Amino acid sequence: NAGVTQTPKFQVLKTGQSMTLQCAQDMNHNSMYWYRQDPGMGLRLIYYSASEGTTDKGEVPNGYNVSRLNKREFSLRLESAAPSQTSVYFCASSEPLSNQPQHFGDGTRLSIL
Amino acid sequence: AQSVTQPDIHITVSEGASLELRCNYSYGATPYLFWYVQSPGQGLQLLLKYFSGDTLVQGIKGFEAEFKRSQSSFNLRKPSVHWSDAAEYFCAVGPRIQGAQKLVFGQGTRLTINP
Repeated sequence: NAGVTQTPKFQVLKTGQSMTLQCAQDMNHNSMYWYRQDPGMGLRLIYYSASEGTTDKGEVPNGYNVSRLNKREFSLRLESAAPSQTSVYFCASSEPLSNQPQHFGDGTRLSIL
Repeated sequence: AQSVTQPDIHITVSEGASLELRCNYSYGATPYLFWYVQSPGQGLQLLLKYFSGDTLVQGIKGFEAEFKRSQSSFNLRKPSVHWSDAAEYFCAVGPRIQGAQKLVFGQGTRLTINP
């Protein structure tokens, strides 16, 4: 009964280092999403993948890249981490119908020094 | 621009008291509407959703929400809160289209329960 699994749960990076956040879902969902959560700003969409083989930018894509590895997995990469990317990152998945809810992982807390 | 406003950043209520969390949205057309709850250190869990029909929707854990088109609001209510309701609550809206949801979230309201 895993749902959406994110790894790692915590990470500390130095400015300029690279990092890939992993996300996997076992609900056979077609659509997957990456959000960042910052205090007082709610969740903001970074990138999403409507289906395997497609990715699109969300509201705040700068500084990030994504890969939809297969139907289950959707990774988020920071090529050169910056302190402004310190945040909690959430992965979510859903069926590709806008009236279906998104299912969220427990998040990755990322600090960049 | 699409936006969701939750005017109350932090609310404190006593256990057993009633609760109302406010949500107002600005959107081109009537969107799909959601309330999510986030417990500390965890992801978001869906409480309820509104798509069409009856404007009063029931959710899990005894929550309900009322959609008021004229006020562009979707306020969340509970008649009697329990200590376990302490969490952060997010209102979100999304487009009425086929395909992936590009949700817009409010800033969140943190709920504290006094014993």
